[in-house]
Amino acid sequence: GESVGLHLPTLSVQEGDNSIINCAYSNSASDYFIWYKQESGKGPQFIIDIRSNMDKRQGQRVTVLLNKTVKHLSLQIAATQPGDSAVYFCAEIEGGSARQLTFGSGTQLTVLP
Amino acid sequence: KAGVTQTPRYLIKTRGQQVTLSCSPISGHRSVSWYQQTPGQGLQFLFEYFSETQRNKGNFPGRFSGRQFSNSRSEMNVSTLELGDSALYLCASNTGLRGELFFGEGSRLTVL
Repeated sequence: GESVGLHLPTLSVQEGDNSIINCAYSNSASDYFIWYKQESGKGPQFIIDIRSNMDKRQGQRVTVLLNKTVKHLSLQIAATQPGDSAVYFCAEIEGGSARQLTFGSGTQLTVLP
Repeated sequence: KAGVTQTPRYLIKTRGQQVTLSCSPISGHRSVSWYQQTPGQGLQFLFEYFSETQRNKGNFPGRFSGRQFSNSRSEMNVSTLELGDSALYLCASNTGLRGELFFGEGSRLTVL
């Protein structure tokens, strides 16, 4: 199947700065994308999703941008806090009724004091 | 509302043994999916059940199987365990419609 990849395996930011986590996907048939956060010892936690008919979606302190032309997804976290330190995964679902998620390899975000 | 509950949280087995993992979805959720997470392969889809029927299956050998009961609880079984089966097994539930999956904390399996 198609794979979802991430540009960087690790990202360190200063507390209070904005974070940008990137993700590239290759399946043109994917029409739904989700960002998950996974803290050590826990299962992935839903952050935000976006459908392919949108190019931007905002949540609380988070914004997801979708560029279908270059098959690129990004997660922006405003005013990054120590509690944001975690591994972030993007995931895609191909068009249709399937609920099978294809996950990227993840980016470890470390927030520096 | 209680979240997704997985048992056991940790277990150690030896090669050749089999293991059964259990997942209780969020109340009202009829879809349960299973994922394997390893450092090398990341998160990989195993299978999805909805109303006791396997609706989708990932690319794993037949040693990996699952089932879902009428109360939506699900089990997965791995037979003839191999060292490479050591992983965090995650269960996720949702209503059955497309949308976010709610993950449990996982069952960490170590095969010696």
